Amino acid sequence: AQRVTQPEKLLSVFKGAPVELKCNYSYSGSPELFWYVQYSRQRLQLLLRHISRESIKGFTADLNKGETSFHLKKPFAQEEDSAMYYCALIRHQGAQKLVFGQGTRLTINP
Amino acid sequence: EAQVTQNPRYLITVTGKKLTVTCSQNMNHEYMSWYRQDPGLGLRQIYYSMNVEVTDKGDVPEGYKVSRKEKRNFPLILESPSPNQTSLYFCASRRTRGPYEQYFGPGTRLTVT
Repeated sequence: AQRVTQPEKLLSVFKGAPVELKCNYSYSGSPELFWYVQYSRQRLQLLLRHISRESIKGFTADLNKGETSFHLKKPFAQEEDSAMYYCALIRHQGAQKLVFGQGTRLTINP
Repeated sequence: EAQVTQNPRYLITVTGKKLTVTCSQNMNHEYMSWYRQDPGLGLRQIYYSMNVEVTDKGDVPEGYKVSRKEKRNFPLILESPSPNQTSLYFCASRRTRGPYEQYFGPGTRLTVT
């Protein structure tokens, strides 16, 4: 079965420090992975997707099929990065379900 | 503006009193779904719909109903709400043939006493 694991429920770093939010997945097919972000009292929104290989707000994520990981990274954290982050995988067969990890709450300390 | 809307945004009700949370999208998306978000449990899918008149259960469907009579609307119905349905609810929509970016509504905070 498809599964997305975010091992850290809480992550706290200081402003200016590097950030890495971990995401591991299990999926038998070729995965399509996403990171969603939810700022305080706001709706979830797409941050980035692996097929775009883009950098959004300084964040990048590389799909590592060997390690089945899709970690989110930013070299220098900013206070406005404080939010809830969800890693997600889409299952293309059948119901095309978007499977979410349990989320990591990132806090950037001044 | 492309968006998903939900109403109401906040609702306090009592056990057993039927309620409906509306969801509407203006992007002509085929796929719509409902999630609940609870601390420590992340997002769990309640129901989803691949298109008009096509709905199916998600991970936590018990106590909920949905309907999809029009492409743009996907209401969530709680026939007899109970306190364990106190949660933050999100509606979402996207295409079924990619890109698979999912758009979320602003959320409905429901409290059942």
